[in-house]
Amino acid sequence: NAGVTQTPKFQVLKTGQSMTLQCAQDMNHEYMSWYRQDPGMGLRLIHYSVGAGITDQGEVPNGYNVSRSTTEDFPLRLLSAAPSQTSVYFCASSRLTSGSSYEQYFGPGTRLTVT
Amino acid sequence: DAKTTQPPSMDCAEGRAANLPCNHSTISGNEYVYWYRQIHSQGPQYIIHGLKNNETNEMASLIITEDRKSSTLILPHATLRDTAVYYCIVRTTLGSSNTGKLIFGQGTTLQVKP
Repeated sequence: NAGVTQTPKFQVLKTGQSMTLQCAQDMNHEYMSWYRQDPGMGLRLIHYSVGAGITDQGEVPNGYNVSRSTTEDFPLRLLSAAPSQTSVYFCASSRLTSGSSYEQYFGPGTRLTVT
Repeated sequence: DAKTTQPPSMDCAEGRAANLPCNHSTISGNEYVYWYRQIHSQGPQYIIHGLKNNETNEMASLIITEDRKSSTLILPHATLRDTAVYYCIVRTTLGSSNTGKLIFGQGTTLQVKP
């Protein structure tokens, strides 16, 4: 298993540009999510999904869109990049098992700089 | 989900046990305690979780007080590779509106020293 993969590893954007951060998992996990982490801070939840076709907002969803057309993929779209979106972005996935709790697996991150 | 409080930083000598505390005084009966860690620049890594009983796995032990208002993560023989930020998170099980969400705080930066 490759686990959770993210592409690209690094990206530089100009203000106003759009782009898509890719996230894929090969563990057949129902749950996937996106976090951002600013320097010296903890992770903040952007969007999450409990299955294909189902997405919901986290703590900081503004400026980002997501969709979940397959179980494996959960792309994050930046609609019009702003310097405030300079951050490290982590994708995570996990099983959803009725009656018990579960652990989340995180990808290696995408380091985004918006100039 | 309940809020957690952790010390911002701790030191530990290599080979000694590292005891990381976490307060979660508003925890509810159906909320689990999770611990994750993040080694510099990497994605967070799951360590352990528990509901009310003490738990142990190959990485660590989790001690939860009887009233469940606090817990301690124990790394029995800390190594330099255990230097990381450790996050204590409380979250509910399935069936709640917060299903799946992990809310990360600031965590504790553990520095293991030779």
